[in-house]
Amino acid sequence: GAVVSQHPSWVICKSGTSVKIECRSLDFQATTMFWYRQFPKQSLMLMATSNEGSKATYEQGVEKDKFLINHASLTLSTLTVTSAHPEDSSFYICSAMVRDTEAFFGQGTRLTVV
Amino acid sequence: GQNIDQPTEMTATEGAIVQINCTYQTSGFNGLFWYQQHAGEAPTFLSYNVLDGLEEKGRFSSFLSRSKGYSYLLLKELQMKDSASYLCAAMDSNYQLIWGAGTKLIIKP
Repeated sequence: GAVVSQHPSWVICKSGTSVKIECRSLDFQATTMFWYRQFPKQSLMLMATSNEGSKATYEQGVEKDKFLINHASLTLSTLTVTSAHPEDSSFYICSAMVRDTEAFFGQGTRLTVV
Repeated sequence: GQNIDQPTEMTATEGAIVQINCTYQTSGFNGLFWYQQHAGEAPTFLSYNVLDGLEEKGRFSSFLSRSKGYSYLLLKELQMKDSASYLCAAMDSNYQLIWGAGTKLIIKP
């Protein structure tokens, strides 16, 4: 199957700083990527849909200025958590669509804001 | 090494019950996830188990046995819309998700 690489796997940052998470499709071109967030023992929540070359579509309740998404190429989408606070600590995961028929997930990123 | 095994494809009849099994081997364990994916759509979260036992959510239930490295997803009162791929994923000690290849479920009238 297709490979989606997400980096970093885990990160600890200080409150007020920004953190960038990368999602790369290694052996295919992904026109669409999805970003999810998950709190412990809760459902995976879709944050936004990222389309190459256009602005991301954010789900209701997700702050666009807080979670910046950039899908600059067909193989890379980035999520930047700006001015992170402890409540932003969570598990973030991306997935990439292949030929609009299949989606593959990255490994996920555990963010801890202290 | 780390590994997830689940059947490639299963067929069931509308209105019946089907159980999709998943076995896993990971370095440490921080929970097991089940996702549903319809063709052309993003996967959607179904369940998360971290403790042994059965968790029921409507027509879907998920079971976990950590000692056996085993989980199953149980779908009751099958509907045609349940035709989809079902993905099993285990989270290891580094919080990385180890994914199964998915089970394609075909529902017949």
